[in-house]
Amino acid sequence: KAGVTQTPRYLIKTRGQQVTLSCSPISGHRSVSWYQQTPGQGLQFLFEYFSETQRNKGNFPGRFSGRQFSNSRSEMNVSTLELGDSALYLCASSLGRSGQETQYFGPGTRLLVL
Amino acid sequence: QKEVEQNSGPLSVPEGAIASLNCTYSDRGSQSFFWYRQYSGKSPELIMFIYSNGDKEDGRFTAQLNKASQYVSLLIRDSQPSDSATYLCAASGGSNYKLTFGKGTLLTVNP
Repeated sequence: KAGVTQTPRYLIKTRGQQVTLSCSPISGHRSVSWYQQTPGQGLQFLFEYFSETQRNKGNFPGRFSGRQFSNSRSEMNVSTLELGDSALYLCASSLGRSGQETQYFGPGTRLLVL
Repeated sequence: QKEVEQNSGPLSVPEGAIASLNCTYSDRGSQSFFWYRQYSGKSPELIMFIYSNGDKEDGRFTAQLNKASQYVSLLIRDSQPSDSATYLCAASGGSNYKLTFGKGTLLTVNP
């Protein structure tokens, strides 16, 4: 079974721009979660989607948004990029039937904001 | 603020020794606990999960959970240089569909 895939793998943007990241979950998984990882803050939860609905959201500003499509693929968008948005963005998928399931991570998208 | 705490390390052990990684959590509603390994520049990969009090063994790895003490640990027996990585502890509260991660412990296994 193919794993979680994320595109693009690397991105360089400048302050003020916006960016869209994509995540395709493991086949059969309906839940997609997004995390931001930085050296200082570690892994921080952004949001989780299941059946095209956001079920939970972390403490990030409204510049961070996401959506999920009917095929469970998910995108996250960051508008008006700031230098502090430079990070590794990880998505993880799970079956989504309960909150106790294992989440499997994709390879991540490394975003650098200049 | 619901938190997961880990010693940041680095933890250094000789090859063949037992490495002991510890984690505490503040949310008593947490029901599931996960250990992930992350190599430098890579994404986290699952090592083990544990739901029930007690020990769970998988090969060289043993996870231990004590809900009364809100404590989770991971033991790595016969540590190998390839085990050198950051180990992340995560807790799930069940109904909120998210994992709360500790900041990770950097383990170095010296040949």
